[in-house]
Amino acid sequence: GAGVSQSPSNKVTEKGKDVELRCDPISGHTALYWYRQSLGQGLEFLIYFQGNSAPDKSGLPSDRFSAERTGGSVSTLTIQRTQQEDSAVYLCASSLTGQDFRGQYFGPGTRLTVT
Amino acid sequence: AQSVSQHNHHVILSEAASLELGCNYSYGGTVNLFWYVQYPGQHLQLLLKYFSGDPLVKGIKGFEAEFIKSKFSFNLRKPSVQWSDTAEYFCAVNFAGKSTFGDGTTLTVKP
Repeated sequence: GAGVSQSPSNKVTEKGKDVELRCDPISGHTALYWYRQSLGQGLEFLIYFQGNSAPDKSGLPSDRFSAERTGGSVSTLTIQRTQQEDSAVYLCASSLTGQDFRGQYFGPGTRLTVT
Repeated sequence: AQSVSQHNHHVILSEAASLELGCNYSYGGTVNLFWYVQYPGQHLQLLLKYFSGDPLVKGIKGFEAEFIKSKFSFNLRKPSVQWSDTAEYFCAVNFAGKSTFGDGTTLTVKP
């Protein structure tokens, strides 16, 4: 596609429910990243995929967070048993490769609100 | 672990003033350095990047940044800001695929 797309754009959920966030990277980009941006904060790295594998999961805040990527393309970030502190904008980015790095292209984000 | 520090959280300037936003990083190895910008209501987008070679890099919209290895710094500059430069600016460091971002600097340019 023309750019990185994310869905949904907004998600309001009740505490304790599971949510799935989706990211479609730019076609041909092998590297995919998830970040979280809380109000007034910088970008918090969550996870990085190179192809379908995740060399670096160090940023996932807890075992309630998981992510997968299939076919070297679409990725889903799943948050189980959501908590109010999970409320944030979740950003996805892709780049041509992870090692030959030329900068990331960001999607519009998913604004998650946990009530 | 690498970290990125942006010294100014909020900068307010008048149009035509000069801009310098500070960025320091902690990692001592070979890194790639970036500045990203987020205009109100828009996505994050790449402003400029440094990999190697000339430590003074030029980006879009008249921005430039200078990599000073000895100071672990990558400060962003623009000689004369415009109202349309009002945005949030993020410095980032990438090593082995993982990017670390600073907390961002909000720039407000008064017309």
